[in-house]
This record gives sequence, C-alpha cells and structure tokens, in this order.
Amino acid sequence: GQNIDQPTEMTATEGAIVQINCTYQTSGFNGLFWYQQHAGEAPTFLSYNVLDGLEEKGRFSSFLSRSKGYSYLLLKELQMKDSASYLCAPLDSNYQLIWGAGTKLIIKP
Amino acid sequence: IAGITQAPTSQILAAGRRMTLRCTQDMRHNAMYWYRQDLGLGLRLIHYSNTAGTTGKGEVPDGYSVSRANTDDFPLTLASAVPSQTSVYFCASSVLAGGLNEQFFGPGTRLTVL
Repeated sequence: GQNIDQPTEMTATEGAIVQINCTYQTSGFNGLFWYQQHAGEAPTFLSYNVLDGLEEKGRFSSFLSRSKGYSYLLLKELQMKDSASYLCAPLDSNYQLIWGAGTKLIIKP
Repeated sequence: IAGITQAPTSQILAAGRRMTLRCTQDMRHNAMYWYRQDLGLGLRLIHYSNTAGTTGKGEVPDGYSVSRANTDDFPLTLASAVPSQTSVYFCASSVLAGGLNEQFFGPGTRLTVL
C-alpha cells in the first residue's frame, strides 16, 4: 500500500531552524511536493523535488533521497508566521498526489 | 475573480438533502480537483478533471458526483448527504493534468451534515 509518515506536531523557537521529515512508500514515484497550510486556510505550494539533493528557496529548503524514500523540509530563521501545518505529498506512478496528514509546526517566541 | 473561488464558505445540511458545492477558476487551468480534508488525515481526492468535458474518480468518490461543462467551473454534488460527509472540501486546479504542476487551492467549504 501507499503510506506517508510525518510527525504530527513539532515545536520550535522564533529565529531557530527546524527540520520536518517525511518518509514515504508509494507505487512508483514521480517527485514530491511540500505545501504549507495555515489553520483554517487552503494549502499553498512550497516546493517540488524530483531529483535527489537539496533545493533551496529563501528561508525554506527541501531535500529528497529517492533510494531511502525520504524527504525533509528545512525552515531557517523561523518567524511566527511560519506557524502552520506542512504537508508532504509524493506523486505516485499514476501521477496522483498522495497526501500525508501534515506536521503542525508551533513557533514560540 | 482572482484565482479560484468556492461557494458556500460553510453550510449545515440535514442528512438526506442534496447539495452542490461550487468551484470556479479564472486561470484557464486545464485540470481541476476536489479534495476532502478530515482531522488527522491527509487530503483525499474525491474526483478530478484533466480537461473540460472529462472527469475521473479519485480515492473516495462514493456519494459524490462532478461535472466539467467548461474550463472554469467544476461543481461537486452530494446526491443524498450523510453525516460521514462532514468535512472541509477544497477545490484545486493546475495548469496541466498529471500532478507535475503546482496545484492552486480554493479557500474551502466547511460542510456539516446532521
């Protein structure tokens, strides 16, 4: 079956760095997305990785290891507005997104 | 209209009633999707449309139907609502089908079936 595993909740301090991990098992693989979702709002796109390695985009970076079925999202210089849920979503062999339940990130001052 | 809109924002519905959730996008995207989001679960795909005139079933299609008469609109209908359909419903769109493209989400409809 298809499975996505990410921590349910994480807490970090404003200004710090946090890494949100995601492991996945899918029928085939065509890349992996990360989305951000603030409470009561719609998900918004953060990143897409299809090749192994680190993709950096400002304060956010995303890493992929296809052989390990593993990805992480790295958030630097945390701000209070980064308090949100972060959704990991790999693409399976049918190019369907398989969504994880998300990691709720709480930022404390 | 800018982006993707949904209506209503929220609705309380009696079990057994018929309900249509509306979704409209003005980005001329080919692909559109309906998801439901329940606490503790990931987004689950209900139905999708790769292009106007075509639709397909997602992971949880039972009890729901869709149509795609034109590019912009993708309504979701619950023929006879049941309490298990209480959820937040998101409509999304992408330039092309196939999942490789970023999906843009509407603001969601919070539906409660009593």
